[in-house]
Amino acid sequence: AQSVAQPEDQVNVAEGNPLTVKCTYSVSGNPYLFWYVQYPNRGLQFLLKYITGDNLVKGSYGFEAEFNKSQTSFHLKKPSALVSDSALYFCAVRDFPSYNTDKLIFGTGTRLQVFP
Amino acid sequence: EAQVTQNPRYLITVTGKKLTVTCSQNMNHEYMSWYRQDPGLGLRQIYYSMNVEVTDKGDVPEGYKVSRKEKRNFPLILESPSPNQTSLYFCASHAETGEYSPLHFGNGTRLTVT
Repeated sequence: AQSVAQPEDQVNVAEGNPLTVKCTYSVSGNPYLFWYVQYPNRGLQFLLKYITGDNLVKGSYGFEAEFNKSQTSFHLKKPSALVSDSALYFCAVRDFPSYNTDKLIFGTGTRLQVFP
Repeated sequence: EAQVTQNPRYLITVTGKKLTVTCSQNMNHEYMSWYRQDPGLGLRQIYYSMNVEVTDKGDVPEGYKVSRKEKRNFPLILESPSPNQTSLYFCASHAETGEYSPLHFGNGTRLTVT
């Protein structure tokens, strides 16, 4: 069965420093991987996705993620954190191909706190 | 503005009293789904629909019903709510483009069942 793990409940980083939010996955086929962000009292917003191609994926708000097939990881990164990046981040995976289903598995979420 | 609209945003009810949470999207998306979010558990899929009159169970469907009579609407029905269904619920939609397109989420419905 497919699964996603976010090993850190919370990540703390000082503003201006690089940040990493970790995600590892387990799927039976080729993965479709996603990162979403949730701000307080809002729904989730899409940040970026990996389907195929370059292992380094660039997304919204200066975020990027690196797909590593050998380590089954898809860590979210940003070179310089902002206080406004403080939010809850979710990694998600969908198996491929899955044309007869629409199941998306989310991780448990990592709260990012950026301190001034 | 492209959006997914859920109503109500907050709902407090008592055990056993049937309720419906509505969800509507204006993007003509084929796919819609419902998730619940609980601390420490992340988001878990309840039901999804790949088109009108086509629905299927997600990972936690027990105690819930859905219907998809029109493309834009996908209501979530709790026939007999119980306290363990107290949660934050999200509706989401996305297009079927052949390459998996990102989900658009509503702003959530916080449900409390006493």
